[in-house]
Amino acid sequence: GQSLEQPSEVTAVEGAIVQINCTYQTSGFYGLSWYQQHDGGAPTFLSYNALDGLEETGRFSSFLSRSDSYGYLLLQELQMKDSASYFCAVMGGSYIPTFGRGTSLIVHP
Amino acid sequence: EPEVTQTPSHQVTQMGQEVILRCVPISNHLYFYWYRQILGQKVEFLVSFYNNEISEKSEIFDDQFSVERPDGSNFTLKIRSTKLEDSAMYFCASRDRDNSPLHFGNGTRLTVT
Repeated sequence: GQSLEQPSEVTAVEGAIVQINCTYQTSGFYGLSWYQQHDGGAPTFLSYNALDGLEETGRFSSFLSRSDSYGYLLLQELQMKDSASYFCAVMGGSYIPTFGRGTSLIVHP
Repeated sequence: EPEVTQTPSHQVTQMGQEVILRCVPISNHLYFYWYRQILGQKVEFLVSFYNNEISEKSEIFDDQFSVERPDGSNFTLKIRSTKLEDSAMYFCASRDRDNSPLHFGNGTRLTVT
């Protein structure tokens, strides 16, 4: 089976940088994705890493280390609208994403 | 931008009743999924559907659940005899390739009383 661990909650102030970590255990590996969810709405895709290293998309970056079974999502220049839940999702033995429990990000003014 | 649409947004039903949750995936997508999320918890995979058949299902997806693509646009999830523990948000998702990002609908909140 697959399992993922990520912090349950992270708080930060507007304009700051925050990192949300994710460790995973899986028998196979195709890639690690990140999704954002506001107030129980539709999860929306943010980023995907299949290979080691950093992927940058605007204010958001995602990093992967396959040897450490570890990844993180980096959010820069935080805005109030970034307050949401962030899920890492691993594609392990199949291409079907298995989601972590999510990290609630609270951005304060 | 094309989107996945789900109806209804909220469904209330009594225990033991049958419910059908409806989804219209993005038109050129070939892979369809149902996930559920119990309030405050993680998004859990239920079933995937490709080429008019189930390709994978989780242990949650027991004999009470079924999926169907009755026509070229709709994708439905049926729960035959609902239980209290089926209360959750049910998300439909689709994608054009088996390794591309999932596009989720806004979900159907199912409340079983």
